[in-house]
Amino acid sequence: SQQGEEDPQALSIQEGENATMNCSYKTSINNLQWYRQNSGRGLVHLILIRSNEREKHSGRLRVTLDTSKKSSSLLITASRAADTASYFCATDVAGNKLTFGGGTRVLVKP
Amino acid sequence: GAVVSQHPSWVICKSGTSVKIECRSLDFQATTMFWYRQFPKQSLMLMATSNEGSKATYEQGVEKDKFLINHASLTLSTLTVTSAHPEDSSFYICSAGLLAGAGYEQYFGPGTRLTVT
Repeated sequence: SQQGEEDPQALSIQEGENATMNCSYKTSINNLQWYRQNSGRGLVHLILIRSNEREKHSGRLRVTLDTSKKSSSLLITASRAADTASYFCATDVAGNKLTFGGGTRVLVKP
Repeated sequence: GAVVSQHPSWVICKSGTSVKIECRSLDFQATTMFWYRQFPKQSLMLMATSNEGSKATYEQGVEKDKFLINHASLTLSTLTVTSAHPEDSSFYICSAGLLAGAGYEQYFGPGTRLTVT
């Protein structure tokens, strides 16, 4: 079974709005990573947050991690049409293997 | 930096034939590469971990004799789908691991779309 579950599965917003998606996982982790995938393409690494970190920023992206709840969130502020993609969380439990969540499909309407 | 390429980007083959997919780390050396498959509108499922100079480690349920992995150098891993069947049609993605400042990060190739007819 998948380590991570993402919520919502799909999200539709207007350009300029914020998009928030959540990821829950089951076991203790070394770190959690967020990736973006445009349709039919490979994955682009967005942010890595370690288990001892609570929040991280990168440009318009903000990631939080709550290890007590085994959950993480990704916030995209001031969204753009180019942010339309699928977003995946992935957990690194041990041995540097990643286990991916089901993904959130984000549609940003111009 | 940290660019990973895959070749081919798409391939169509007939049932029963074998297909080889290459994964290269272009500007760094990767002792470990990973192979995933992704069905439409689904997440990535790890198939195997490819270690340079040693046998690959396969995930539960993945047939090692069907999906042959070779990691002959620090910049190249290959996945061969043997005796392909239509149910093997999928998007195959590789990644190469790189130890960065914040931790161990994986950099993904653009993927290979395999269609078996």
